[in-house]
Amino acid sequence: SQKIEQNSEALNIQEGKTATLTCNYTNYSPAYLQWYRQDPGRGPVFLLLIRENEKEKRKERLKVTFDTTLKQSLFHITASQPADSATYLCARGGADGLTFGKGTHLIIQP
Amino acid sequence: SQTIHQWPATLVQPVGSPLSLECTVEGTSNPNLYWYRQAAGRGLQLLFYSVGIGQISSEVPQNLSASRPQDRQFILSSKKLLLSDSGFYLCAWSAWYTGGEDGYTFGSGTRLTVV
Repeated sequence: SQKIEQNSEALNIQEGKTATLTCNYTNYSPAYLQWYRQDPGRGPVFLLLIRENEKEKRKERLKVTFDTTLKQSLFHITASQPADSATYLCARGGADGLTFGKGTHLIIQP
Repeated sequence: SQTIHQWPATLVQPVGSPLSLECTVEGTSNPNLYWYRQAAGRGLQLLFYSVGIGQISSEVPQNLSASRPQDRQFILSSKKLLLSDSGFYLCAWSAWYTGGEDGYTFGSGTRLTVV
């Protein structure tokens, strides 16, 4: 079956460091992947989309990579801040509905 | 600008009671609409999606149904709630002309507790 997997355990990073989150997919070759941020009790917020032919995409302190050989996308937050603490979700799919990973809970410690 | 409204924010319902959650979108036409559920300890699960009025696709067989009576209105219903229906329900929309590639916009969610 087609799977999209994230390490759902908490990731603790010290403020100012770079946080790196991983999204792996199996039995599927997505044309693109999307990344979302979700705060407790809130709906997810769209951050970035990266296509399979794009190796890297940036938005302010965020960077996403897409490695079709490893079947993996990495999500980086540079110069991390406590306000970046949230759950980050990776998703595949299109207009007929996105399939989300379980998310990685990121904690930035001051 | 586009906005999405979802209500109520929280709901406590007894087992066997009916359910109606409503979602409306403003500032866009012919949006693709979605209902998701997020149960404790589990990821987001797509329940229904709609590409137009009266057009509903169900992803998971269950105790729930959805309807789209108007272009920008999406309703999630149940005739008799089960304990397992408890969870965080999220409505979302995407622009039909982008195929979802501009991302989905989610509502603020409804926390449903069935007791």
